[in-house]
Amino acid sequence: GAVVSQHPSWVICKSGTSVKIECRSLDFQATTMFWYRQFPKQSLMLMATSNEGSKATYEQGVEKDKFLINHASLTLSTLTVTSAHPEDSSFYICSAATSGAYNEQFFGPGTRLTVL
Amino acid sequence: RKEVEQDPGPFNVPEGATVAFNCTYSNSASQSFFWYRQDCRKEPKLLMSVYSSGNEDGRFTAQLNRASQYISLLIRDSKLSDSATYLCVVNIRFGTDKLIFGTGTRLQVFP
Repeated sequence: GAVVSQHPSWVICKSGTSVKIECRSLDFQATTMFWYRQFPKQSLMLMATSNEGSKATYEQGVEKDKFLINHASLTLSTLTVTSAHPEDSSFYICSAATSGAYNEQFFGPGTRLTVL
Repeated sequence: RKEVEQDPGPFNVPEGATVAFNCTYSNSASQSFFWYRQDCRKEPKLLMSVYSSGNEDGRFTAQLNRASQYISLLIRDSKLSDSATYLCVVNIRFGTDKLIFGTGTRLQVFP
């Protein structure tokens, strides 16, 4: 159990286009989903936390108008990178957690974005 | 100063060796602690939680020293399959869980 999927697993796009990444919890309901970004040889950095049905909470330095997050249901969250640029090329990973204290976060397999 | 600091390595060890990784964290409000394993180009996977009393899972032993804000992971009898990056992770809870990841320590086990 506790499987999280992401789609697509990789994407290459031209500069200026928008890219949508989906994160789904397949066998449990996730009240909270998290979006991370990982640049090569660096740690995962939390971008935003989203709770189903409410606005996402963005970390300092993350532009909410550039990284649009929608958490419309208990099993789906989407991250849209708008007007992508080469510096947005990174590994984007989502995780999902159920409600309650100290619950484990289950990570998706990640999406590798390359912006040309 | 980074919130979670680790020696990036790499640690190159032969099969069967014992290897230890250390981690320090700066936020004294950190609530819970974990070691994750991340293979190249893959998502991180939970290896084990870390408790103040110390805990063991097979060949893996984790220790936490809250006073020193220090976490360790010991791997005994290293296997080739242990080659990966080991991430030290702390959970800072301000209303909602927030995981802070270290940059990881790379382990390479050779035959």
